[in-house]
Formats: sequence, C-alpha cells, structure tokens
Amino acid sequence: AQKVTQAQTEISVVEKEDVTLDCVYETRDTTYYLFWYKQPPSGELVFLIRRNSFDEQNEISGRYSWNFQKSTSSFNFTITASQVVDSAVYFCALSEAYGGATNKLIFGTGTLLAVQP
Amino acid sequence: DGGITQSPKYLFRKEGQNVTLSCEQNLNHDAMYWYRQDPGQGLRLIYYSQIVNDFQKGDIAEGYSVSREKKESFPLTVTSAQKNPTAFYLCASSIQGQANYGYTFGSGTRLTVV
Repeated sequence: AQKVTQAQTEISVVEKEDVTLDCVYETRDTTYYLFWYKQPPSGELVFLIRRNSFDEQNEISGRYSWNFQKSTSSFNFTITASQVVDSAVYFCALSEAYGGATNKLIFGTGTLLAVQP
Repeated sequence: DGGITQSPKYLFRKEGQNVTLSCEQNLNHDAMYWYRQDPGQGLRLIYYSQIVNDFQKGDIAEGYSVSREKKESFPLTVTSAQKNPTAFYLCASSIQGQANYGYTFGSGTRLTVV
C-alpha cells in the first residue's frame, strides 16, 4: 500500500538556521512521482517541486534543495538560511503512475515549520 | 489567470443546518477533490470526481455530499449528519490520468459550527 510518512510534526528554528524536513514513502510501483507543497498561514497549498522515480538527481532552487534517495525511500527537503517567511506547514505527497484510473495524491501528515526572528 | 476559487472564505453554521461550499475551476481539469483539514492535522479526502456526473467517496465521506453537474464546479454540502463539521476545507483539481501533474488547490473555506 502507498504511504507517506513525515515523522516531524513540528520544527522550530531561529532565522538563518538550516533546516531539513524529512519525508519517507512506501510504494510498490516502479514509476511514481513525489511532491512537496507549502501551506502558509493563509491556507492555500502551494506547489514547490515534483520529482519522478527515475530521476534521482538532487535539485536546488535558491535556498531550497531536495534530496531524493530511492535506496532509503526518502525525499527530504532542506531550507538553507531560513527566513520568517518560510514559516508554514509543508506536505510531502506521492502519486503512482499506475494507481488505477485516478492519480490521487497520497499526502503525509505535514510538518509545521516555525522560523523565529 | 486560471485557478480554483473557493467561496466563502469563512462560513458559520448553526447545528442541524446543511451548508454548501463552492468550488469552481477554470483550468479545464477533469478531476476535482475535496479535503478536510483539522488543526494540526494532515489532509483527509472526502470525495473526488474524475468526470462530470460521477464521483467517488474518499476516506471520510460520511455526513457529506457532492455533485458534479458541470466540469468547472464541484460543490460540497456538509449535512447535519456530520457530527463535527468545524474544519478547514480545501478543494483541488488535476488533469485526469496524469500522475505527474499533481494538484492545484483553492484557498480554502473555514467552516465553524456555532
């Protein structure tokens, strides 16, 4: 069965610290997609990144970077030099390419990141 | 610009009343979804629809109903049978059959029972 685990419920850091949000997934499919979404206090989920199962290259976008490791079924998200505006709930999600007729996303329970000034 | 519009942003309901949350999208997406989020909790799927005039129950459908008469619209009714309706409700849409697309989300409706 598919499952996404975000073991860190809440993380609190001081501005300019680096922080890593963990995401571990389970799937029996060989083709799948992983996502990270940000939910700021306003409530709307904002797409951050998508990664397919055949692309294990790490990705960097400004202060954000993602480490995808199939060997450990993990897709971790690191924020470098965190800022107060990074305070949000972050969701990791999984979509299986052959998950039936739907392409439902399986979400983790989210990690609340609080960045203190 | 294309997107998903949820209304109202805040909604207050008296116990025993049904209320309907609106979700409209102009992205030409076939699939639409409703999620419930409780404080400090993740997202729980209520209903989803892959095509007009068809929808399926998610993990917590009891006390809720939906309709999909138009591709653009997927309203959610919270009925009086829903024992604890106070929550944040999110609507999303996606391209049917494309697992790599992910979802586009609305800005949510916060429902409070008074």
